[in-house]
Amino acid sequence: DVKVTQSSRYLVKRTGEKVFLECVQDMDHENMFWYRQDPGLGLRLIYFSYDVKMKEKGDIPEGYSVSREKKERFSLILESASTNQTSMYLCASSSPGQGALEKLFFGSGTQLSVL
Amino acid sequence: GENVEQHPSTLSVQEGDSAVIKCTYSDSASNYFPWYKQELGKGPQLIIDIRSNVGEKKDQRIAVTLNKTAKHFSLHITETQPEDSAVYFCAASKRKAAGNKLTFGGGTRVLVKP
Repeated sequence: DVKVTQSSRYLVKRTGEKVFLECVQDMDHENMFWYRQDPGLGLRLIYFSYDVKMKEKGDIPEGYSVSREKKERFSLILESASTNQTSMYLCASSSPGQGALEKLFFGSGTQLSVL
Repeated sequence: GENVEQHPSTLSVQEGDSAVIKCTYSDSASNYFPWYKQELGKGPQLIIDIRSNVGEKKDQRIAVTLNKTAKHFSLHITETQPEDSAVYFCAASKRKAAGNKLTFGGGTRVLVKP
């Protein structure tokens, strides 16, 4: 089974801190994604990556950056955390399938609270 | 960009009854419509999906229907069981050469009462 591991289940940070959220997948997937989940808003895409050292902005990239130095690892960085970034963060990976309509495999999420 | 609306936001059903969740999408070019189930403390998992060239798809107790003209699709769960209690998300995307950027609906919290 594919495993997507997020480094922390719960994280509490202070406003202005630099925050790193780490995600590792063990199935050699090319694609990796970061979503944030907020009640009533569903999952919104922050950034995604189709290859090592490659990144593309999603729908809500403001205030975030990402790093993908190795194929299995995709990091989300909050340069200066703010209270409106308090949320559940979900990492996902996928591999291009037939017709590039591939299944996403999600991690269990990191609940980030910014005080 | 694509916009996906999902209704209802919460749904309470008696065990054994059916549950229906509806989604509408805005981009007529979207051609892939998956449904994800998120259990408490876990990440979402794909439970069923449908492509635009198909009107209906079934997998045991779950089925998805798609109406491309009206731009809406629905998830049907029959004979609901307590383990069906979860949050369900619909999503839509367009076929791309690389990667699959999904736009998700707001989610439906389903509670199956024993």
